[in-house]
Amino acid sequence: EADIYQTPRYLVIGTGKKITLECSQTMGHDKMYWYQQDPGMELHLIHYSYGVNSTEKGDLSSESTVSRIRTEHFPLTLESARPSHTSQYLCASSDPRGDLYNSPLHFGNGTRLTVT
Amino acid sequence: AQKITQTQPGMFVQEKEAVTLDCTYDTSDPSYGLFWYKQPSSGEMIFLIYQGSYDQQNATEGRYSLNFQKARKSANLVISASQLGDSAMYFCAMRVHSGTYKYIFGTGTRLKVLA
Repeated sequence: EADIYQTPRYLVIGTGKKITLECSQTMGHDKMYWYQQDPGMELHLIHYSYGVNSTEKGDLSSESTVSRIRTEHFPLTLESARPSHTSQYLCASSDPRGDLYNSPLHFGNGTRLTVT
Repeated sequence: AQKITQTQPGMFVQEKEAVTLDCTYDTSDPSYGLFWYKQPSSGEMIFLIYQGSYDQQNATEGRYSLNFQKARKSANLVISASQLGDSAMYFCAMRVHSGTYKYIFGTGTRLKVLA
């Protein structure tokens, strides 16, 4: 069972501020992901990483950036927050050993961001 | 292209009854995995059940079972003996063997269990 932690759980911030959403996992998973989700809507992949120093943009264009300097840590940064960034951000990890397609995503509790 | 389709935006079920949530998928890859997740109003995503493309039997996990019909490319979630706590969004997802390590999600079904 993966343990994956996101902080903060809730964040209300003003327009133009720089923010970093934290995501850490303790299981040594190589693959990590960031999803953006509006309330009650589908998940959109915005970033993913295959391992240290590997990051890729997802299917939904995002103004955010990510880094993967350590296996366990995958922070997401918004240089200048805008009201359109208001959403829930979900971090996830997976460790597909053996069969590459049978490992479920393990999610953190999410960060609900509101930009005023 | 890979795709997951959930055609039921919302469903109602009486407490203690069974309910089926539909999921169809599209992929040309012979090796893939199908997953169901539950998302309560609190927002976290909870993994429920997994079905592999080569699995001969339908997956079961407690009150959850997956009705896997490979020829029809469907992977419906069956919840037996519904409970009030089952009220949530349910997402079907897929990951294929080849290519990237991305997981593809459907648009979700909101289930409401009635007392």
